[in-house]
Amino acid sequence: GAVVSQHPSWVICKSGTSVKIECRSLDFQATTMFWYRQFPKQSLMLMATSNEGSKATYEQGVEKDKFLINHASLTLSTLTVTSAHPEDSSFYICSTEGAPNSPLHFGNGTRLTVT
Amino acid sequence: GQNIDQPTEMTATEGAIVQINCTYQTSGFNGLFWYQQHAGEAPTFLSYNVLDGLEEKGRFSSFLSRSKGYSYLLLKELQMKDSASYLCAVRGGSSNTGKLIFGQGTTLQVKP
Repeated sequence: GAVVSQHPSWVICKSGTSVKIECRSLDFQATTMFWYRQFPKQSLMLMATSNEGSKATYEQGVEKDKFLINHASLTLSTLTVTSAHPEDSSFYICSTEGAPNSPLHFGNGTRLTVT
Repeated sequence: GQNIDQPTEMTATEGAIVQINCTYQTSGFNGLFWYQQHAGEAPTFLSYNVLDGLEEKGRFSSFLSRSKGYSYLLLKELQMKDSASYLCAVRGGSSNTGKLIFGQGTTLQVKP
C-alpha cells in the first residue's frame, strides 16, 4: 500500500509563531491529499482537501488564512499553521487519496503544542 | 448533513467477543471503513465494506447494511493489545477515492 511520510512528528512553538508540517507520498503521485485534525479524546475532523496545482478546499469553519496549504508537487503537500495560539494545539494528520475503493493511508501525524 | 454515530466507550474481557456498532447518514455512499487507533498514533486500517454483508479478516469482521445505514465491527478472542479507539468512517459523495468522514470513535478497554 501507499506510504506517507509526515514531518515533524512533534513540535512545540510559542504563541504567535508559524509552524509548517510536511506530508509526502513516497511511492506514488498524489494529486489529492487530505488534512485532518484531532483534539484529545475526539475523532478525526477533516480540515481541508489539498489539490496539486490548485487551491485547497476547506471545510466549513476552517480558516483558510490561518491554515495555509500548499500542494506544489505530486508528492508533497504542506500545512502551515500561521500565528499559532494555544487552542491550535492538536494532532494533525495527513493522508493521500485512496485508490478506487481503497482506504486512505495516513501519515504518522504531528503533535503540535503551542505555549 | 452527514452524521456518523458510534458508542463512546465499551469494556470487554480478554478472550471474549465484542461488537461495535456504527450508524450513518451521508450524502452518497462509496464505502465504510473501520480503523484502529492507539493513543498518540495515526489510525491503522482494519476493514472495508462497500456491499451488504460480512467481511472477515482473521479475528476481525465487519458487517454492512446499506439500506439501514448500519455497520458493526466484530472482534473475537480479545487480547489486551486490542484496547484502543475504533473509528467508523464513511466515504460519501460520488467519488470512490475521496475523503472519509469519521465518527467520534469508540474507546474499547479490554480487561483481564
